[in-house]
Amino acid sequence: AQTVTQSQPEMSVQEAETVTLSCTYDTSESNYYLFWYKQPPSRQMILVIRQEAYKQQNATENRFSVNFQKAAKSFSLKISDSQLGDTAMYFCASLTQGGSEKLVFGKGMKLTVNP
Amino acid sequence: NAGVMQNPRHLVRRRGQEARLRCSPMKGHSHVYWYRQLPEEGLKFMVYLQKENIIDESGMPKERFSAEFPKEGPSILRIQQVVRGDSAAYFCASSPPRDRPYNEQFFGPGTRLTVL
Repeated sequence: AQTVTQSQPEMSVQEAETVTLSCTYDTSESNYYLFWYKQPPSRQMILVIRQEAYKQQNATENRFSVNFQKAAKSFSLKISDSQLGDTAMYFCASLTQGGSEKLVFGKGMKLTVNP
Repeated sequence: NAGVMQNPRHLVRRRGQEARLRCSPMKGHSHVYWYRQLPEEGLKFMVYLQKENIIDESGMPKERFSAEFPKEGPSILRIQQVVRGDSAAYFCASSPPRDRPYNEQFFGPGTRLTVL
């Protein structure tokens, strides 16, 4: 069974600074994908970034990048130049290719960006 | 292209009543997933459906919960005889016929169920 762990329940950062959100996962599968989702107060789930496990190169989307350490089963999200609109819950998730391909989520982390 | 639609957005039921949650997938999407988010928790998978078929219901409670995705119309998540513990946000996600190595899921805005 897959598990995803986010051990930091809450973080805060000053606007324009950089922050890193941590996530570890466990899976026995070889073909899987990892995701970070953002859930603002509107509760809409928004995909921030995805990483294919077979790719060594870390994914990057504008101000968002990941540090994927496959051997350590670690998948952290770095947000550069934090903006007030980044304030939200952030969820790490995994998906195993094949089968029903359901997403397995961590408990989430509340990020607050302060002006 | 409209996104995934869920209605109602908010639903209040008294204990013992039935709750019906609807999900209209994105145009062209034939796969639907339902997830439940309890307060202070991440989303938990409930059920995966394709048109007229339940593919995986391993996350569904054994009693009172059912789901369908008919040939025509939205997917329905039905909760009979609701209890306070059913209070949660219920999210639907849809994905297209496979055009990538995995089913990319697009989420709806969720239905917040409150049981009094």
